[in-house]
Amino acid sequence: DAGVIQSPRHEVTEMGQEVTLRCKPISGHNSLFWYRQTMMRGLELLIYFNNNVPIDDSGMPEDRFSAKMPNASFSTLKIQPSEPRDSAVYFCASSWSGGSLTGELFFGEGSRLTVL
Amino acid sequence: QQQVKQSPQSLIVQKGGISIINCAYENTAFDYFPWYQQFPGKGPALLIAIRPDVSEKKEGRFTISFNKSAKQFSLHIMDSQPGDSATYFCAASRKANFGNEKLTFGTGTRLTIIP
Repeated sequence: DAGVIQSPRHEVTEMGQEVTLRCKPISGHNSLFWYRQTMMRGLELLIYFNNNVPIDDSGMPEDRFSAKMPNASFSTLKIQPSEPRDSAVYFCASSWSGGSLTGELFFGEGSRLTVL
Repeated sequence: QQQVKQSPQSLIVQKGGISIINCAYENTAFDYFPWYQQFPGKGPALLIAIRPDVSEKKEGRFTISFNKSAKQFSLHIMDSQPGDSATYFCAASRKANFGNEKLTFGTGTRLTIIP
């Protein structure tokens, strides 16, 4: 059974370039989360979707960041223009959330972004 | 502010010893407290979780102790093994109105088990 699939696994780009990270959640999950991990700030929640609708984007650092979820099986996180301080590992996670249950988060293996 | 404070930042334990990682939270509305384990190059994975209606939960060598009045919870790893060497994150969440959760993570503890 495939888990959460992220691409690319590694991305090296130059400052000012556009970066698009992709995520395919686990089939049947209705919640999708984008996290950023750095040594200094740990795991930060950027945005999450429920049933493809963005619920909370208060963690998105600034307008350079945007995320979309056009359907239940695909999401993108875009950074434009990218800056060196955006260098981090970006994780996508999905879960099933229904009723009173709190769903386990299943993480992808992450996309390591380096902005030169 | 929804914060979860985790300590220590790093921990070295001898094989066979007990590893203890502590977390404290502020928001009394939190009602779900999981621990995630992360190996290098991988995403975090759920290890064990507890709800505030119990004070302890044990799964194999892993135990969560929960103190609701002190707003603290901890992870105990008994008989620590080199394969337990990883980064551990505590987290907390509360149910949102629409039935979804929003996990807030601690800053992580890098655990190293030495022979």
